[in-house]
Amino acid sequence: SQQGEEDPQALSIQEGENATMNCSYKTSINNLQWYRQNSGRGLVHLILIRSNEREKHSGRLRVTLDTSKKSSSLLITASRAADTASYFCATGVYSNYQLIWGAGTKLIIKP
Amino acid sequence: NAGVMQNPRHLVRRRGQEARLRCSPMKGHSHVYWYRQLPEEGLKFMVYLQKENIIDESGMPKERFSAEFPKEGPSILRIQQVVRGDSAAYFCASSTGATRQETQYFGPGTRLLVL
Repeated sequence: SQQGEEDPQALSIQEGENATMNCSYKTSINNLQWYRQNSGRGLVHLILIRSNEREKHSGRLRVTLDTSKKSSSLLITASRAADTASYFCATGVYSNYQLIWGAGTKLIIKP
Repeated sequence: NAGVMQNPRHLVRRRGQEARLRCSPMKGHSHVYWYRQLPEEGLKFMVYLQKENIIDESGMPKERFSAEFPKEGPSILRIQQVVRGDSAAYFCASSTGATRQETQYFGPGTRLLVL
């Protein structure tokens, strides 16, 4: 099974509401990253949080990391239609250079 | 500063033909990663290359698939004797390689359709 697993698989909310997506992983990590993918496009890096960090902010994004629970959450505040996309978490493990990817959360923002 | 470039954006091949996918990393980046994405799924790591070296090909199928990143020119992902199951989006990403698992910058992808 995947190292990173996003939850929920799909999320549909009204514009202006907050969206929360979760990511769980299995092994110890060096860092965890969140990416966004608009339909039919490549991925765009959103934020990286290291294993010794607990929270990080970037604009309307807030990421938390709980290494004891092996989980992370991505919060998008005051959502906009342009936030409609798939969101992926990727974990970097100590033993190699790879990022291990989850299957993503599909977020739909209804106007 | 141009981002990661991939070409072609769309590629149609018949079963048994060869597919060549190209990736030019961002300027200053010497590390390239190839991923495959099936519809409605996440990315699957295929191979990680530095200039003239394959660092990790653990995600690459043992047969028909090969990758290179020559000293000059783009990285090439080559699929020989394509089958319908090879139909997918193939993404390339690049990084500076200064640290492990650093931010990767993605290209727009090549969508391969095997008829």
